[in-house]
Amino acid sequence: DAGVTQSPTHLIKTRGQQVTLRCSPKSGHDTVSWYQQALGQGPQFIFQYYEEEERQRGNFPDRFSGHQFPNYSSELNVNALLLGDSALYLCASKVRSDNSPLHFGNGTRLTVT
Amino acid sequence: GQQVMQIPQYQHVQEGEDFTTYCNSSTTLSNIQWYKQRPGGHPVFLIQLVKSGEVKKQKRLTFQFGEAKKNSSLHITATQTTDVGTYFCAGANNDMRFGAGTRLTVKP
Repeated sequence: DAGVTQSPTHLIKTRGQQVTLRCSPKSGHDTVSWYQQALGQGPQFIFQYYEEEERQRGNFPDRFSGHQFPNYSSELNVNALLLGDSALYLCASKVRSDNSPLHFGNGTRLTVT
Repeated sequence: GQQVMQIPQYQHVQEGEDFTTYCNSSTTLSNIQWYKQRPGGHPVFLIQLVKSGEVKKQKRLTFQFGEAKKNSSLHITATQTTDVGTYFCAGANNDMRFGAGTRLTVKP
């Protein structure tokens, strides 16, 4: 039973470019959340998707957008990349329940130069 | 918006000493979850607390949820080198908001 899988594992982009990160949730999970984790910091909530719609959003600009597909997989898109977007991007999935724990993928390390 | 604060930011202990990290929320939480992230890894779920005043134990780890459901603590008794990592609390209302974490290092 595969856990949460993310691709790619590492990515290097240039300022102003656009990037798409991908996530497949753990089998049986229908809710996907995305987090940004800067070095030495805690994960910062970007948004959460359920039933192919964005349900909750953290304090991130509109440059950050996402999508959830019918098979529950998800994408995170970041436009007009800034140096400050360099971070580990974590995808977490869970069953749609307020009390269910998050299962994290290994993350995508994004470097913006 | 909801904020979750965690202290201390760092803690270095000698193996065998105890360790405690504290978590405080600006709002009442429906539940609180604790995660551990090893260096180079991703957060891994440890436990969830739901009830006011709840206390749960996992071997040497003791987790508490405050009576007002706005604060929580994690206590590790007799730390071991395998306890090394960053411990995060995450408070839930509509989504999970993480604290900045407490990074624990253990000297053998």
